[in-house]
Amino acid sequence: DTEVTQTPKHLVMGMTNKKSLKCEQHMGHRAMYWYKQKAKKPPELMFVYSYEKLSINESVPSRFSPECPNSSLLNLHLHALQPEDSALYLCASSQPPWGTKTNYGYTFGSGTRLTVV
Amino acid sequence: DQQVKQNSPSLSVQEGRISILNCDYTNSMFDYFLWYKKYPAEGPTFLISISSIKDKNEDGRFTVFLNKSAKHLSLHIVPSQPGDSAVYFCAASGGDAGNMLTFGGGTRLMVKP
Repeated sequence: DTEVTQTPKHLVMGMTNKKSLKCEQHMGHRAMYWYKQKAKKPPELMFVYSYEKLSINESVPSRFSPECPNSSLLNLHLHALQPEDSALYLCASSQPPWGTKTNYGYTFGSGTRLTVV
Repeated sequence: DQQVKQNSPSLSVQEGRISILNCDYTNSMFDYFLWYKKYPAEGPTFLISISSIKDKNEDGRFTVFLNKSAKHLSLHIVPSQPGDSAVYFCAASGGDAGNMLTFGGGTRLMVKP
């Protein structure tokens, strides 16, 4: 299995809703990432988990709450989002950012297209 | 400070001709470079990579060239096909960032039939 699977593919939510995005990989990668991408912009890093521990939080608002239940799963819990949070949310996995010599880059999921109304 | 830059936001090429996408970086500690291809509403997919110990890596129609002294890399696609139309992101890793990727802003390639 060489894929990162993200669900759902599309999500429309109101500003008072609570929803979760899910990401799963079975490549044995011990680092997982959440990125946010707006149209015509590069992916913007949100969170990095290394060995199931949060290692980087790029000053993301608390209405985004990541969770890594185990080495294969990564969730992003959403609450009280704003319309400007509408974007493509990408999950990626890789070998750990530090302590490994070989770099194979990231494997990205297909993303969740989130629309906040 | 943008450490990886793709100065051309878009590029239009005729089918069958060569596409050349450029990328510049400022961090001399970067030692691994990748190109990703992205279609709308999909995640980026890995295309080709190069280590700093090499100056060229080829995979089918795709070749990446690295000029370390100029801190410049380029992706050549030949011959270009309409299905190559996508956004191409250059990424780099190494140094303090370890294997974390730093992305360029992307170049939209349009291959016209």
